Amino acid sequence: EPEVTQTPSHQVTQMGQEVILRCVPISNHLYFYWYRQILGQKVEFLVSFYNNEISEKSEIFDDQFSVERPDGSNFTLKIRSTKLEDSAMYFCASSGWGRGETQYFGPGTRLLVL
Amino acid sequence: QQQVKQSPQSLIVQKGGISIINCAYENTAFDYFPWYQQFPGKGPALLIAIRPDVSEKKEGRFTISFNKSAKQFSLHIMDSQPGDSATYFCAASKGGYSTLTFGKGTMLLVSP
Repeated sequence: EPEVTQTPSHQVTQMGQEVILRCVPISNHLYFYWYRQILGQKVEFLVSFYNNEISEKSEIFDDQFSVERPDGSNFTLKIRSTKLEDSAMYFCASSGWGRGETQYFGPGTRLLVL
Repeated sequence: QQQVKQSPQSLIVQKGGISIINCAYENTAFDYFPWYQQFPGKGPALLIAIRPDVSEKKEGRFTISFNKSAKQFSLHIMDSQPGDSATYFCAASKGGYSTLTFGKGTMLLVSP
């Protein structure tokens, strides 16, 4: 069964450093998302991406964040200058098309900012 | 108005029992209500979903009940098994490819 993959599984970085989280969505999907989950809390939406542009973003997704689909398979989330409060599990998700199409989540990248 | 409120925060059920998790929403624009199951260290996985045009949907041991007038929906897990022990999230979206708004999650433990 096709699945969303994410790399790395864990990332430790120093405050102020840039990190890039990578995702390979399911191959025929058109919509891509990033969510995050701070330890013990709910999953929160960050950004959605369609047709090579951001379609929606939350207030969490400020100027420190950016997304890119550099090629036909990868989808990346960049945090330019990490803060302690960016420590969380970051999930990539993708969906096909049509009304309410299921969003399939990857296994996540656990980011720890020291 | 974007919130989805979920209860209880945690739940312990004996094997064979019924697990019930409740969610409530305020935004009447929501028209797609999925439940996700998450095991430790894994991403959320879709369990079952419902639209407001039906009041109940059943898939195996999992049933969603939906009350549009009360803006509430619930997950029932019949004959709960230890393998069902996980965190369950309700969510809502405005359909299409819209973003999911998640509840805070319910940690379910099914005791043997």
